[in-house]
Amino acid sequence: QKEVEQDPGPLSVPEGAIVSLNCTYSNSAFQYFMWYRQYSRKGPELLMYTYSSGNKEDGRFTAQVDKSSKYISLFIRDSQPSDSATYLCATLNSGNTPLVFGKGTRLSVIA
Amino acid sequence: EAGVAQSPRYKIIEKRQSVAFWCNPISGHATLYWYQQILGQGPKLLIQFQNNGVVDDSQLPKDRFSAERLKGVDSTLKIQPAKLEDSAVYLCASSPLSISLFGNTEAFFGQGTRLTVV
Repeated sequence: QKEVEQDPGPLSVPEGAIVSLNCTYSNSAFQYFMWYRQYSRKGPELLMYTYSSGNKEDGRFTAQVDKSSKYISLFIRDSQPSDSATYLCATLNSGNTPLVFGKGTRLSVIA
Repeated sequence: EAGVAQSPRYKIIEKRQSVAFWCNPISGHATLYWYQQILGQGPKLLIQFQNNGVVDDSQLPKDRFSAERLKGVDSTLKIQPAKLEDSAVYLCASSPLSISLFGNTEAFFGQGTRLTVV
């Protein structure tokens, strides 16, 4: 079982839709949870970061972590064509271990 | 603030040839990472430097891959000899602190070098 599972999509939605992106992870020691956005032919950029369980909101983006079910979510409200990108979830524990990335979900928002 | 610089952007080589990638991190960032991103996959860490020392190279195929970080600033990643399965984007990232020790620090990625081995 991979440490972080993420449905690669692709996911195509109309402009203005609410988008839900999800990951599951297997290592209960993971404590930090991140979402990176990667545009085509660019490097990933950090979008959201959360520590332990709970929600975090930043504008149209909400990150949610449920440690009891080992489930990570990113919600995008009022999606825009500029949100079209690959979204990567990433996790790590508090020890000296590297970031573990999911495969990424490719999102297309159609105008 | 200048970002992480990588070169070249693209490289095509034949299998068994050697290739080198260069990375210039953000000024003042102590931690530098090299990731391999195969098409359709998430980035996988190859090596992490803290200043000019290696913190983690457990996933680096040391029989063919090598990396160094001179004077704790620029870094080069070399593959010799290359295999077909090395075709990927090689991403360099830097952060002011180690993410593995300080989870609330951000890694800044370069645009990557796209390697095609034929």
